[in-house]
Amino acid sequence: QKEVEQDPGPLSVPEGAIVSLNCTYSNSAFQYFMWYRQYSRKGPELLMYTYSSGNKEDGRFTAQVDKSSKYISLFIRDSQPSDSATYLCAMSGANSGYSTLTFGKGTMLLVSP
Amino acid sequence: GAGVSQSPSNKVTEKGKDVELRCDPISGHTALYWYRQSLGQGLEFLIYFQGNSAPDKSGLPSDRFSAERTGGSVSTLTIQRTQQEDSAVYLCASSQITGTAIHYEQYFGPGTRLTVT
Repeated sequence: QKEVEQDPGPLSVPEGAIVSLNCTYSNSAFQYFMWYRQYSRKGPELLMYTYSSGNKEDGRFTAQVDKSSKYISLFIRDSQPSDSATYLCAMSGANSGYSTLTFGKGTMLLVSP
Repeated sequence: GAGVSQSPSNKVTEKGKDVELRCDPISGHTALYWYRQSLGQGLEFLIYFQGNSAPDKSGLPSDRFSAERTGGSVSTLTIQRTQQEDSAVYLCASSQITGTAIHYEQYFGPGTRLTVT
């Protein structure tokens, strides 16, 4: 079992839909949880991060962490075609001194106009 | 300001040859990371440099892989005797880590797409 599991998709939705992207993990030492967005032929860029459990909202994006279930989510409201990209979850914890990230494989999102 | 840059953007090499990939981090960033992204495999951590500390090489897949960071800035990832399974996008990232604060954001370069024929 990989440390971080993420459905690769693709996930296809119409413009304006609410999108839910998820990751599960097995390492209880993870404490920082991040979502990166990666456009084709580009490097990943950080979208949001959360520390420990809870919710965080930034514009159309909401990140949720449930440490008891080892489950994290990213919600995108009013999705736009420009949101079409691969979304990667990433995590870090004290076991690596928080210095290295463990990534999921990424979920490809396609938002059609 | 300038972001993380990587060169070359694409590299095609023959099996058995050595390759060098270069990363220029954001000026002033103390930490530098190398990752490998293979099709359908996500980002795989390779190596991490932080300041003058010994690098964390725990992610290097074999002794054919090595990396240097000269002067705390530019880094070179070297793959010796390349194999077809080395074909991937190699991504470099940098971040600012100071004292005991944990600065989580890693800024990624565009990557070098390596194809081994």
